[in-house]
Amino acid sequence: DAGVTQSPTHLIKTRGQQVTLRCSPKSGHDTVSWYQQALGQGPQFIFQYYEEEERQRGNFPDRFSGHQFPNYSSELNVNALLLGDSALYLCASRDLAGVWNEQFFGPGTRLTVL
Amino acid sequence: TQLLEQSPQFLSIQEGENLTVYCNSSSVFSSLQWYRQEPGEGPVLLVTVVTGGEVKKLKRLTFQFGDARKDSSLHITAAQPGDTGLYLCAEVQAGTALIFGKGTTLSVSS
Repeated sequence: DAGVTQSPTHLIKTRGQQVTLRCSPKSGHDTVSWYQQALGQGPQFIFQYYEEEERQRGNFPDRFSGHQFPNYSSELNVNALLLGDSALYLCASRDLAGVWNEQFFGPGTRLTVL
Repeated sequence: TQLLEQSPQFLSIQEGENLTVYCNSSSVFSSLQWYRQEPGEGPVLLVTVVTGGEVKKLKRLTFQFGDARKDSSLHITAAQPGDTGLYLCAEVQAGTALIFGKGTTLSVSS
């Protein structure tokens, strides 16, 4: 049983560009959350998707947007990249009807903005 | 917004030593989770504590939740190099968003 998978593993972009990160949740999970982890910091909640809709959002600008597909996989899009967007982007999935808030994290995508 | 303070920020010890790391909040936790994150990996859930005064054990790891639910600690007995990693505490907010502290980076050398 595959866990949460994310692609790509690493990505280098320049300021002003746009990026799309992808996440496949753990089998049987229907809810996907995205987090940003800057170097030396804990992860910060970006948003959560359930039933293909954004259900909850953290304190991130509109440059950060997402999507969830019918197969529960998800994408995170970031427009007009800034140097400060350089971070590890983590995807977490859970079964909304399962063990209370047991979330499983993927290995992350390391984004570097030059 | 709830702020989670973790201490110490860094800890470097020898194999076999005991250690305790702490997580404190400015307000009451609804519930708290502890995670361990290894380099190149995402965080892995270790435990969820819900009730004030609760103590949970996971092999050599002991987790305590303060009576007032504003603090928590993680104690590791006889640390091993495999315990090396970033230890994160997280408050479970309304819905399922997690609010993380900055973490404690633990290095255990043999």
